[in-house]
Amino acid sequence: KQEVTQIPAALSVPEGENLVLNCSFTDSAIYNLQWFRQDPGKGLTSLLLIQSSQREQTSGRLNASLDKSSGRSTLYIAASQPGDSATYLCAVRPIGANSKLTFGKGITLSVRP
Amino acid sequence: GAVVSQHPSRVICKSGTSVKIECRSLDFQATTMFWYRQFPKQSLMLMATSNEGSKATYEQGVEKDKFLINHASLTLSTLTVTSAHPEDSSFYICSASNLIVYEQYFGPGTRLTVT
Repeated sequence: KQEVTQIPAALSVPEGENLVLNCSFTDSAIYNLQWFRQDPGKGLTSLLLIQSSQREQTSGRLNASLDKSSGRSTLYIAASQPGDSATYLCAVRPIGANSKLTFGKGITLSVRP
Repeated sequence: GAVVSQHPSRVICKSGTSVKIECRSLDFQATTMFWYRQFPKQSLMLMATSNEGSKATYEQGVEKDKFLINHASLTLSTLTVTSAHPEDSSFYICSASNLIVYEQYFGPGTRLTVT
C-alpha cells in the first residue's frame, strides 16, 4: 500500500528565504506526482505535476523535483513571500487509468514578514 | 486548468437530516469524479470514485448507504450524506478527471457542520 510522508508538518521562515519542502513515498511504481497548495478552508490548487519520466518541473518561483527510485520529491520555493503561507500537499498517482491519488498530510508553511 | 465547482460552499444541518452536495465540472466532461473528506489538520481521504453512468466504488470503511453518490451526467456528481450526525462534520472535496485531461481538478470544497 502506498504511503506518502511529508515532514515536518509545519515550517516557519522569514520572508525572502529560499526553502525546500520534502515528500517521500514508499512505492516507486507511480504514474506521476503532484504538488498542491491549500489555503485555510479552501480547496486544492494544483501547483506542479511531474510525470514519472520527468526529473523536475518549474513554474515561476516554484521548482519540483522527482527521484522515483529513491521515492522522493522536493518542492523548492525561491524568495518566499507572506502570500506563500499555506499548506502544501504532495500526492502520488499509481500507474493505471483514472487511478487514485494518495496524499501526504501536508506541510503548513508560514512566511513571516 | 479545468474548473470544478461545488455547491454549497458551507452548510449547517441538524442531526438526522440529509444533505446533498453538488460537484460540477464546468468546462470539460468528467468521466470520473472522486469524493474526499478532510478533517482538520489531516490529509484528504478518498471516500469513493464514481464513473459516469455506473455505481460508485467506495473505499474501505466508507458506508455506501450513508454517503450516496450519483454521477448521472458527465458534468455533475452529487454526494448525499444521509441521516447526518455530528461526526460527519467535515470538509468534503470533489475532483474530476477524464482520460483526455488525465489529471484531477479539485473543487473548492464544502464545509459541512452537523449540529
